[in-house]
Amino acid sequence: EADIYQTPRYLVIGTGKKITLECSQTMGHDKMYWYQQDPGMELHLIHYSYGVNSTEKGDLSSESTVSRIRTEHFPLTLESARPSHTSQYLCASSEYGAGLQETQYFGPGTRLLVL
Amino acid sequence: GENVEQHPSTLSVQEGDSAVIKCTYSDSASNYFPWYKQELGKGPQLIIDIRSNVGEKKDQRIAVTLNKTAKHFSLHITETQPEDSAVYFCAASGGAGGTSYGKLTFGQGTILTVHP
Repeated sequence: EADIYQTPRYLVIGTGKKITLECSQTMGHDKMYWYQQDPGMELHLIHYSYGVNSTEKGDLSSESTVSRIRTEHFPLTLESARPSHTSQYLCASSEYGAGLQETQYFGPGTRLLVL
Repeated sequence: GENVEQHPSTLSVQEGDSAVIKCTYSDSASNYFPWYKQELGKGPQLIIDIRSNVGEKKDQRIAVTLNKTAKHFSLHITETQPEDSAVYFCAASGGAGGTSYGKLTFGQGTILTVHP
């Protein structure tokens, strides 16, 4: 089992609310990622970080923002939730390996429903 | 960027049969190919991976093959069991220095159902 945690696991919220999805890992991994998983199952990378104070946008455009102030913590924020944000959000982490891709470990996910 | 195609989207087998899931990728610089299993209500879990310097890798009932020339790789599950039922994802990642370094591009997923 990977030591990566996400809270809340489920969230139902009204349109216009600000939300923060939490992700933390105790493995000391430098790299962290956020994926959005749509109902058709496919995972899309929306944000990633190579370390503290490093954040990059992923392949899928997202209105969410992220921060990386501590190695173990990579929260995702939506300033104003909309029904189109309804999805499952998965956090992952991996070690930084120069020249090698390291295994990504996933958290259990947060299922978000915006009414 | 990288594009990964996965087939089939659904696969139904009888317990004890073999299951094969295939993926193709577009970026010849990709050098890491993991396979993930996702059970209902859980995040994806790595089950096996292969790097581009290896053609085949086995772990008990699971094996992965890689054909770099054709840019495709496959997951083979033998002696399937009902607990193998899940969604399986392939993925590809680029090498160091490339724009896709460190980022996984996932296939569309395969729903595997193993009937007792």
